[in-house]
Amino acid sequence: RKEVEQDPGPFNVPEGATVAFNCTYSNSASQSFFWYRQDCRKEPKLLMSVYSSGNEDGRFTAQLNRASQYISLLIRDSKLSDSATYLCVVTHGSGNTGKLIFGQGTTLQVKP
Amino acid sequence: NAGVTQTPKFQVLKTGQSMTLQCAQDMNHEYMSWYRQDPGMGLRLIHYSVGAGITDQGEVPNGYNVSRSTTEDFPLRLLSAAPSQTSVYFCASRQPGEETQYFGPGTRLLVL
Repeated sequence: RKEVEQDPGPFNVPEGATVAFNCTYSNSASQSFFWYRQDCRKEPKLLMSVYSSGNEDGRFTAQLNRASQYISLLIRDSKLSDSATYLCVVTHGSGNTGKLIFGQGTTLQVKP
Repeated sequence: NAGVTQTPKFQVLKTGQSMTLQCAQDMNHEYMSWYRQDPGMGLRLIHYSVGAGITDQGEVPNGYNVSRSTTEDFPLRLLSAAPSQTSVYFCASRQPGEETQYFGPGTRLLVL
């Protein structure tokens, strides 16, 4: 079983739709959580961090449920430019080792 | 700042050849990592380093060597290329305590 699991999709949605992605992680010692965005054939870039109290950045909302070990990303009012792959990322281990563990990514395609 | 740079952008190798993928960062980051990305697999950690002179294995280290003689550079060496090493390779860096990991543009490697 992979340490971080995501539904690969693709999720095909019309412009203006609300779409949600979930991600589960298996290591209860996981400490930090992120969503990265990756455009086709490009490098991943940090989209937002995920906190237990939730995190909102414009149309994007990220939530963490430590008890159930899952992370979510909600995108409201989808734009064509939101089409990309969204990667769920966790870190864990004692101390600050710098190791990030990536899920396989969820692909979103927003249609006109 | 140039950020994280990788060379070459593309490379074709024959089975058994060796080569070094170069990675450099000019942000004085302590942490550097190498990932490979394959379809449906997400990013998998090959090797990482938490500072000059310190390296450790990630999830898929076999067939690769690294060294970290300076803070800026973190080359990845393929000792004897195999077709299974055909992939996109990303180098990344991060500063301890900061959330954002910065990725290079990637090296696309084809092993025939």
